[in-house]
Amino acid sequence: RKEVEQDPGPFNVPEGATVAFNCTYSNSASQSFFWYRQDCRKEPKLLMSVYSSGNEDGRFTAQLNRASQYISLLIRDSKLSDSATYLCVVLRNDYKLSFGAGTTVTVRA
Amino acid sequence: DGGITQSPKYLFRKEGQNVTLSCEQNLNHDAMYWYRQDPGQGLRLIYYSQIVNDFQKGDIAEGYSVSREKKESFPLTVTSAQKNPTAFYLCASSTRDSREAFFGQGTRLTVV
Repeated sequence: RKEVEQDPGPFNVPEGATVAFNCTYSNSASQSFFWYRQDCRKEPKLLMSVYSSGNEDGRFTAQLNRASQYISLLIRDSKLSDSATYLCVVLRNDYKLSFGAGTTVTVRA
Repeated sequence: DGGITQSPKYLFRKEGQNVTLSCEQNLNHDAMYWYRQDPGQGLRLIYYSQIVNDFQKGDIAEGYSVSREKKESFPLTVTSAQKNPTAFYLCASSTRDSREAFFGQGTRLTVV
């Protein structure tokens, strides 16, 4: 079983829509959680960390459920520039940093 | 400027040759990582290192080797034992508490 599994999508949504997707992790020793964004043929960049209480950064909201071992990302009021692949990332307490396969989001005009 | 540098950006090698990819960081980060990405797929962890002179295998270490003789450098050797070496290779570094991992721009390796 993969350590991090994501809904691959693709999610194809109109501008202004809300889109949400999840990620599950298998190792209960995981200690930190992140969402990264990757544009085509570029390196991944940090979108936001995910905290137990849930957190927002502008139009982006991340949630963590440790009991069920899943993480979610919600994007409100989607913009064309939000089109990208979103990577769920989990850090274990032995510093192993694992990535999900990514969720592709395409926002159309 | 602080950052993480991978070189070269594009690399071509003949089948059966070993090749070493460079990764250097001047961020004073303890942890460094190597990932491989194939088209349309996510990042798969090859090796990681928490500290100088120590490293651990990731999920797909077979056919690869690394060294960590200096804090700022974590070179990856793709050996001839790696059956499908053509891929996009990404190096990352982070602090020990890993609030964020920073990536280099990647090396696209093509083996012909």
